[in-house]
Amino acid sequence: DVKVTQSSRYLVKRTGEKVFLECVQDMDHENMFWYRQDPGLGLRLIYFSYDVKMKEKGDIPEGYSVSREKKERFSLILESASTNQTSMYLCASTEGALNTEAFFGQGTRLTVV
Amino acid sequence: ILNVEQSPQSLHVQEGDSTNFTCSFPSSNFYALHWYRWETAKSPEALFVMTLNGDEKKKGRISATLNTKEGYSYLYIKGSQPEDSATYLCALNAGNNRKLIWGLGTSLAVNP
Repeated sequence: DVKVTQSSRYLVKRTGEKVFLECVQDMDHENMFWYRQDPGLGLRLIYFSYDVKMKEKGDIPEGYSVSREKKERFSLILESASTNQTSMYLCASTEGALNTEAFFGQGTRLTVV
Repeated sequence: ILNVEQSPQSLHVQEGDSTNFTCSFPSSNFYALHWYRWETAKSPEALFVMTLNGDEKKKGRISATLNTKEGYSYLYIKGSQPEDSATYLCALNAGNNRKLIWGLGTSLAVNP
């Protein structure tokens, strides 16, 4: 059974903290993505990576950075968490080809207080 | 900026009703159209990935059609059941990179 695993289901952090969200996939997928989902706004792409050590900005990268040191792991970093980063964060992965389905992690609901 | 639109935004049907929703997208630069089901407290799961104009795919009571020339896809659910209650998302791959462009989804509630 293929799997994308996010390190935490729920997380509460204080404003100004550095936050790490981890995502691991066991399918040897080339592409990995970080999204946030907010009511009425749908899935918005933060960053994605198509290879180890490669990353590209998505639609809303401000306030975030990412790291992909190994193929199976894609980390999202909030350098200094702010209350407007309270959201549901979803990690996804796909094979290299463009027409393959995305597999999602279970999501991390982050609350910044 | 490419935009994917879904309608209706939400839908309430009775158990046993058949229903359908629409996903509209720009027909230029089309590469693939995805449909996902997202149940509450679960992860989105792929239903279909469609690439060919006129394609029709089926999974149980759910089917989808694709018209790339006019830029739309329909998702049909035959004989809706309460377990079909979910948000149905479509996403466009425009082919110029590996990103998916997501619609806002159609929220379906099936009343027993």
